[in-house]
Amino acid sequence: QQQVKQSPQSLIVQKGGISIINCAYENTAFDYFPWYQQFPGKGPALLIAIRPDVSEKKEGRFTISFNKSAKQFSLHIMDSQPGDSATYFCAGGSNFGNEKLTFGTGTRLTIIP
Amino acid sequence: DTGVSQDPRHKITKRGQNVTFRCDPISEHNRLYWYRQTLGQGPEFLTYFQNEAQLEKSRLLSDRFSAERPKGSFSTLEIQRTEQGDSAMYLCASSLVSQFFGPGTRLTVL
Repeated sequence: QQQVKQSPQSLIVQKGGISIINCAYENTAFDYFPWYQQFPGKGPALLIAIRPDVSEKKEGRFTISFNKSAKQFSLHIMDSQPGDSATYFCAGGSNFGNEKLTFGTGTRLTIIP
Repeated sequence: DTGVSQDPRHKITKRGQNVTFRCDPISEHNRLYWYRQTLGQGPEFLTYFQNEAQLEKSRLLSDRFSAERPKGSFSTLEIQRTEQGDSAMYLCASSLVSQFFGPGTRLTVL
């Protein structure tokens, strides 16, 4: 059973634009929602994470928006740059991230000049 | 480098052979996780430890897989009698709160 659905599968955004990736979860026990960035041949790198007691969290150009009632959350990358071209994964976890993470299937983001 | 390290980075083996991977977590991180990632997919949970105790194992972890963390520091993941379907990237992560991943071990079973 896929517990975290991620869309789109791939995304092309012009430099300077806003990249938006969406995720939906099913498991109501999830209380921790991180986003990871992965470059080819590398391990995932933690970008930003949110807990469901807040609706938005911003770190630099990255913002998570969280809708608890809809069980959805999204990543917004402002002023997208070519260096942001990577695969992005959302995930959900319980016990504030101290247990296993369940990942989405990933979004391949390409930033074009 | 104070991040999570994994060894080896790449392993090519023949079907039926045993392989062992090592993960060194970030020092002071008491939790250590193993995930498997196949091409085009997100990481899938295999197992995790709190200190030396193995707290959860996924149904993906067949009897051919075993993981240990003997002194609550580094961990090993062994795959016995490898099959072609075991070919994947094996990722290790460690945490105090958020999970930080290592670079992974790419396994190819011929």
